[in-house]
Amino acid sequence: AQSVTQLDSQVPVFEEAPVELRCNYSSSVSVYLFWYVQYPNQGLQLLLKYLSGSTLVKGINGFEAEFNKSQTSFHLRKPSVHISDTAEYFCAVSDTGTASKLTFGTGTRLQVTL
Amino acid sequence: ETGVTQSPTHLIKTRGQQVTLRCSSQSGHNTVSWYQQALGQGPQFIFQYYREEENGRGNFPPRFSGLQFPNYSSELNVNALELDDSALYLCASSYVGLAGETQYFGPGTRLLVL
Repeated sequence: AQSVTQLDSQVPVFEEAPVELRCNYSSSVSVYLFWYVQYPNQGLQLLLKYLSGSTLVKGINGFEAEFNKSQTSFHLRKPSVHISDTAEYFCAVSDTGTASKLTFGTGTRLQVTL
Repeated sequence: ETGVTQSPTHLIKTRGQQVTLRCSSQSGHNTVSWYQQALGQGPQFIFQYYREEENGRGNFPPRFSGLQFPNYSSELNVNALELDDSALYLCASSYVGLAGETQYFGPGTRLLVL
């Protein structure tokens, strides 16, 4: 069984400041890792994913994440946030047999203010 | 725009009733997955269909069932609705390309059970 822990339910940040959203996972097998964003009243949009290779993954909208196998973490970062980044962010994991049966964390609400 | 559509967008039912939710995905997307997202929670995997056969199921009772059709549409059926079934139901379709498996989510159907 797999599980995902997003330690922060809410992260307030000022516009143009850097942000890090934390994600830790637990799994007995090798995993794929994902970050999704959900804007109000919308579905999920993929920000980035780690399947293999370089542990630093770059995604859309200036986001990046680093896979740390020893710490079982996949934290999401952005050097300078914008008001439009206000949304709910979900970390997810799947085993390497599939990238479509996902186990999600409970989400982190990123609130960007002026 | 992910090319995945869901209908209806909102639905109100009463306890004990049955409901059918529909999803239409892009041509060539042989895999469809359904997720339940309760308020304030991350999505939970219900089940997946691949080429019209069930291909994995999460921790949901048999009253949750599905169908996938040759025209890349699918249905989620829930019998004997309970109050706790109130949630956003997300459909996701996927295909395997050069970048591996890529999953696209629809906007969801919000179900309220009274």
